[in-house]
Amino acid sequence: GAVVSQHPSWVICKSGTSVKIECRSLDFQATTMFWYRQFPKQSLMLMATSNEGSKATYEQGVEKDKFLINHASLTLSTLTVTSAHPEDSSFYICSARVLGTAGVGELFFGEGSRLTVL
Amino acid sequence: GQNIDQPTEMTATEGAIVQINCTYQTSGFNGLFWYQQHAGEAPTFLSYNVLDGLEEKGRFSSFLSRSKGYSYLLLKELQMKDSASYLCAVRPRPIDDKIIFGKGTRLHILP
Repeated sequence: GAVVSQHPSWVICKSGTSVKIECRSLDFQATTMFWYRQFPKQSLMLMATSNEGSKATYEQGVEKDKFLINHASLTLSTLTVTSAHPEDSSFYICSARVLGTAGVGELFFGEGSRLTVL
Repeated sequence: GQNIDQPTEMTATEGAIVQINCTYQTSGFNGLFWYQQHAGEAPTFLSYNVLDGLEEKGRFSSFLSRSKGYSYLLLKELQMKDSASYLCAVRPRPIDDKIIFGKGTRLHILP
C-alpha cells in the first residue's frame, strides 16, 4: 500500500507556543490530504481537507486561524497549531488517498502526532 | 448531518467469531470502509463495500445493505492480536471527497 509519513511522532510544548506537524506522501502524489484529530478513546474527527495549491477546507467548528494548513507541494502538507493551549492536546493524524484503477479510494494514514501542551 | 453508529465495546473469546454492526445516515453514499486501529497507532484499512453484499478477505468479511443503511464486519477465528478498535467509515460523496468515521468499536479478546 501507499506510505504516508508524519513528523514528529511526539511533541510537548508550552502553552502559547506554535507547533508544526508535517505529513508526507512518500511513494505517490497527493493533491488532497485530510487532517484528523482524535481524543482518547474517541474516534477520528475530520478537521480539514488540505488541497495542493489552494486553501484548505475546514469542517464546521474548526478555527482556521488556529489550525493553519499549508499544502505547498504534491507530497507535503503541514498543520500548524498556533498559540497552543492544553485543550489542544490530542492525537493528530493525516491521511491521503491514492486514486486510480487499482484502488477504491481508501485513506492511508500517517503514524500520527501526539501533541501535549503544558 | 452525518451519523454513523456502532457499539462502543464488545468482548469475544479467542478462536470464536464476532460481528460488529454499523448503521449510517448520511447525506449521500459512495462507499463504506472498515479500519482497524490498535491503541496509540494509526488506522489501517480492512475492507470496502460500495455494492450490496458480502466481501470476504481472509478471516475478515464485510457486508453492506444500502437500502437499510447497514453494514457489519465479521471476524472469524479470533486471535489475541485482533484486540483493537474497529472503525466504520462512510464516503458520502464522490471519490475525491472526505470520509466520515464512526466512533469505533473497541473489541476485547479473551483467552
